[in-house]
Amino acid sequence: AQSVTQLDSHVSVSEGTPVLLRCNYSSSYSPSLFWYVQHPNKGLQLLLKYTSAATLVKGINGFEAEFKKSETSFHLTKPSAHMSDAAEYFCVVNIAAGNKLTFGGGTRVLVKP
Amino acid sequence: SQTIHQWPATLVQPVGSPLSLECTVEGTSNPNLYWYRQAAGRGLQLLFYSVGIGQISSEVPQNLSASRPQDRQFILSSKKLLLSDSGFYLCAWSKKTPKETQYFGPGTRLLVL
Repeated sequence: AQSVTQLDSHVSVSEGTPVLLRCNYSSSYSPSLFWYVQHPNKGLQLLLKYTSAATLVKGINGFEAEFKKSETSFHLTKPSAHMSDAAEYFCVVNIAAGNKLTFGGGTRVLVKP
Repeated sequence: SQTIHQWPATLVQPVGSPLSLECTVEGTSNPNLYWYRQAAGRGLQLLFYSVGIGQISSEVPQNLSASRPQDRQFILSSKKLLLSDSGFYLCAWSKKTPKETQYFGPGTRLLVL
C-alpha cells in the first residue's frame, strides 16, 4: 500500500522569504511523485513531477523539489515567496498501473506582506 | 494542447433532486478519466475512473454514478442528492501510460440544501 504524509497542515511565511513544504511517502514500488497547487475554488495545477530521472526537479513559478529515497521524502521549496503563492499544496504519489493517485492531506500556505 | 472543461461551475440543489455534472476533454483521444470529490477542509477522494467508453470503476459506494457515453465525455450523476453530497467535484484526465500525470479541470462547486 502507498501513503503520503504532509507534515504541516498550515505554513505561514513572509513575502520574499523561503518556503518549505514537507512531504513523506510510503511505497513498496518505485513511485511517481507530484506536487499540485490549488487556489481557492480552482482546480489543481501541476507544479512538478518526479519520475526516476533527476532527483532535483524544477517546476513552474520557481518551485523545486528534491526526491530523497533514503528518507522517503519529496519536499517542495521556493527561495522567495510571492503573494500569489498563497494557496493549498498537495503532495501526490502514483505507483499503480491504473493511475490511481494517493493524496497527502494538503498544506495551506499563507504569505504575509 | 489539451484542455479539460467542467460545467456547471457552481450548482445549488435541494435535497432529493437529481444531479448531472459534465466533463469534457479536448486535444487528446482515449484518455483515462476520473471524478474526485473534495469535501470542505478535506483531501481529494477518488469516486470513479474510466479507461474507455462505457467502462466505469467505482471506488466508493454511494448514491452517485458515472457514465462515459463518448470517448472524451464523463458524466457524474445522482437520482436523489443528499446533504453529504455537497463539495467540490473535480474531473481529471491522464494518458494510459502507467504513473502518468493527471490533469484536472476547474471543478464544480455543489451545495445541497
